Amino acid sequence: EPEVTQTPSHQVTQMGQEVILRCVPISNHLYFYWYRQILGQKVEFLVSFYNNEISEKSEIFDDQFSVERPDGSNFTLKIRSTKLEDSAMYFCASSTTPETQYFGPGTRLLVL
Amino acid sequence: RKEVEQDPGPFNVPEGATVAFNCTYSNSASQSFFWYRQDCRKEPKLLMSVYSSGNEDGRFTAQLNRASQYISLLIRDSKLSDSATYLCVVPPGGSYIPTFGRGTSLIVHP
Repeated sequence: EPEVTQTPSHQVTQMGQEVILRCVPISNHLYFYWYRQILGQKVEFLVSFYNNEISEKSEIFDDQFSVERPDGSNFTLKIRSTKLEDSAMYFCASSTTPETQYFGPGTRLLVL
Repeated sequence: RKEVEQDPGPFNVPEGATVAFNCTYSNSASQSFFWYRQDCRKEPKLLMSVYSSGNEDGRFTAQLNRASQYISLLIRDSKLSDSATYLCVVPPGGSYIPTFGRGTSLIVHP
């Protein structure tokens, strides 16, 4: 069964550093998403991407965040200057229709 | 009022029990409703969509009550493997961007 993959599974970084989280969506999917989940809290939507552009973004997705689909398979989330409060699990998701989203296993980001 | 509210639990039930969770939502314009399951430190996985007429999938039944703005999930004949956190997801009206509840924790014991 096809699945969404994410790399790395864990990332430790220093405050102020840039990180890039990578995702490979399911191949025939058209909609791509990033979410985050701070430990012990609910899953929060960050951004959705369709037709090579951002379709929706949340208040969390400020100027330090950006997304790219650099080629036909990868979908990346860049955090430009990490803060302590960026420590969280970051999930990528993809779908053929907006309703039924398939999540990747997540990247656990720890900012020190 | 929070957008999506769930009783965090935990609900601690023996194998074979029937257990039900409710989830209330605040946006009356919401049209889509979903239950996801999340195991500890894992990704959310779609369990089932919730239709106006209700939805049943094996031991799982989901219902929608628009008048009172809540959805429910009923699990019959609980298995140990049902132990997880169950997330209620309700996109606001006009959007498919999910608003997640904090989840209800279920522990099924032998």
